[in-house]
This record gives sequence, structure tokens and C-alpha cells, in this order.
Amino acid sequence: NAGVTQTPKFQVLKTGQSMTLQCAQDMNHNSMYWYRQDPGMGLRLIYYSASEGTTDKGEVPNGYNVSRLNKREFSLRLESAAPSQTSVYFCASRDGRNRGDNQPQHFGDGTRLSIL
Amino acid sequence: AQSVTQLGSHVSVSEGALVLLRCNYSSSVPPYLFWYVQYPNQGLQLLLKYTSAATLVKGINGFEAEFKKSETSFHLTKPSAHMSDAAEYFCAVSDQAGGFKTIFGAGTRLFVKA
Repeated sequence: NAGVTQTPKFQVLKTGQSMTLQCAQDMNHNSMYWYRQDPGMGLRLIYYSASEGTTDKGEVPNGYNVSRLNKREFSLRLESAAPSQTSVYFCASRDGRNRGDNQPQHFGDGTRLSIL
Repeated sequence: AQSVTQLGSHVSVSEGALVLLRCNYSSSVPPYLFWYVQYPNQGLQLLLKYTSAATLVKGINGFEAEFKKSETSFHLTKPSAHMSDAAEYFCAVSDQAGGFKTIFGAGTRLFVKA
């Protein structure tokens, strides 16, 4: 049982390049999330998907787009990468069947992204 | 708006000593509160959560936290530190209305000395 799988684990981009970060979960979870983690700032929510077919903005959505391709997969796209997007990106999921209890439950190991 | 403040970016304890990691929250609505742990090069793992049932919450690995509304605190404790507890710990808050926007603190790195 792999849980939440993120690819790639590391990536270096040049300013202006585009890239898609992939995330897949095998737990049949309804809700999925994308976070970025920066030193001294904890995790900040970029986008989330409460259920298949829906996506919503989080705290820091500018410069990103997402796709909930199906129940398993939730991808994050940087259309024109900027140095400020250098960060560690985490995908997470949760069952989501209990109303009022929607915090992320299972995390991937992260994608370390550097933009030069 | 909700926010979380973790007091101390680094905490160092000796093996066998009490672990106390401090978290204060701000919320205009009844909160849910969480502690997560992150080991190097891994994602976060949920340690425990407060969802308005019991104020003293027990989690995995011997950790527990107490919700104190009067102090707006949710400190994490463990009676006896183990070397394997060395990690970064994050406190987080979300609202009880079912919101998805969990707010994380900046994190506290715990060092355990032999």
C-alpha cells in the first residue's frame, strides 16, 4: 500500500519554464490537497479538491493551476515558473466522509523544486 | 481569521526528559486543533487532533495535548523523550464548520540529546 505518491522527488527549472507535479493516492480518498513548505512558514495551502470534479483555491494559489484528473490523481501545474516558487511541495489526502473534520491526513514525501 | 503561534523554533531536551512544545491559537469560531510530526525528507504525519470531544487528547508515540480555551493553548507533551522523537512538529488549526483551509504554525524542531 503506497499511500500518497509524488513525482518527481526533485526538479530544477529555469525561470519561465512550465512543469506539472504529479500526485496519486491509492486509499480511495475523496479529498486531496497541495501545499508548499518554506523555512519558518509552516505549510501553506495552494489548492484543494474536496471531491472528484471539484477544486478550490487555498491561501497562495497565484501562479499555480490544478487538475483533479480522477479520484486518484491531483496534479499541480506551474505555467511560468518564478524563483519565488522555489519550495518543497507536498500533496496530501483524506477520506473526507466525516463532515467538519477536513484536515489533511496522509502526506506524500514531497517534491523539492528549485527555480533558477 | 485563524492563526497559530508556536513558541520556540528549536527545543532541545535530554533523552528521558519531559517534552513540552508550545502552541497558541487564535480563532473566531470553535476550532479543531492538530499536531503533526515531520521526519527528515518525509511528509507530515498526524500525531493527534482535538475535535471538541475531550480536552486532553492522546496521540501516537506517547504524545498528548491539552486544549485550554481560557489560555487559547494546545501544548504538546510527552513524559519521557526518546531519541526517535527528534523531528519537526507542527501545530495546526481549522474551523469546525468543515472548512478545508487548515492553518499551520511555523514549526518547532525538537532535538533529543543522549
